[in-house]
Amino acid sequence: SAVISQKPSRDICQRGTSLTIQCQVDSQVTMMFWYRQQPGQSLTLIATANQGSEATYESGFVIDKFPISRPNLTFSTLTVSNMSPEDSSIYLCSVGVGSQYGYTFGSGTRLTVV
Amino acid sequence: KNEVEQSPQNLTAQEGEFITINCSYSVGISALHWLQQHPGGGIVSLFMLSSGKKKHGRLIATINIQEKHSSLHITASHPRDSAVYICAVGGATNKLIFGTGTLLAVQP
Repeated sequence: SAVISQKPSRDICQRGTSLTIQCQVDSQVTMMFWYRQQPGQSLTLIATANQGSEATYESGFVIDKFPISRPNLTFSTLTVSNMSPEDSSIYLCSVGVGSQYGYTFGSGTRLTVV
Repeated sequence: KNEVEQSPQNLTAQEGEFITINCSYSVGISALHWLQQHPGGGIVSLFMLSSGKKKHGRLIATINIQEKHSSLHITASHPRDSAVYICAVGGATNKLIFGTGTLLAVQP
């Protein structure tokens, strides 16, 4: 299975600023996903990162707030823009060839906005 | 009602005990996943099931497709098993639907 390196592992940010989270995969993968896990909650899919085209966002998430880049099949970034304390969460990337084949998750980015 | 329900939400066990975590789902699926999340936030995939039973070390996962139910068992539990265990189901799309997780604490 793929191995994902996710950075940073944690950060404390001031409100109004932006943070970019990176995920590097050790092999080429078609599907890459970005999730948010708010405190005490389960994971929620933010968007699917598509190589060579715009990301596909889930209901409640917009590109202006969570811009995503996917320049190639091994790398993606998620930016949390104009942060507020409500954005304090764990953000995770995941890769999978499809639900039949299993998923690998990054180690997560624990974001605190003050 | 959530599409994926887990029970119990919290579980405290003594070292060595046999542990069972349950997952019920209400949607059609192609596979069910058991995931482990440690306090740092990272998630490890434990099992992917579409039928029957799988075993890895002290962990056993079973699924009953007709009853839409899965169980994760831990034999001879150890404090290092303390984590959040998450059930997730995947359907026709590539998206996963997650349960709310079971927080397991194994005391020495």
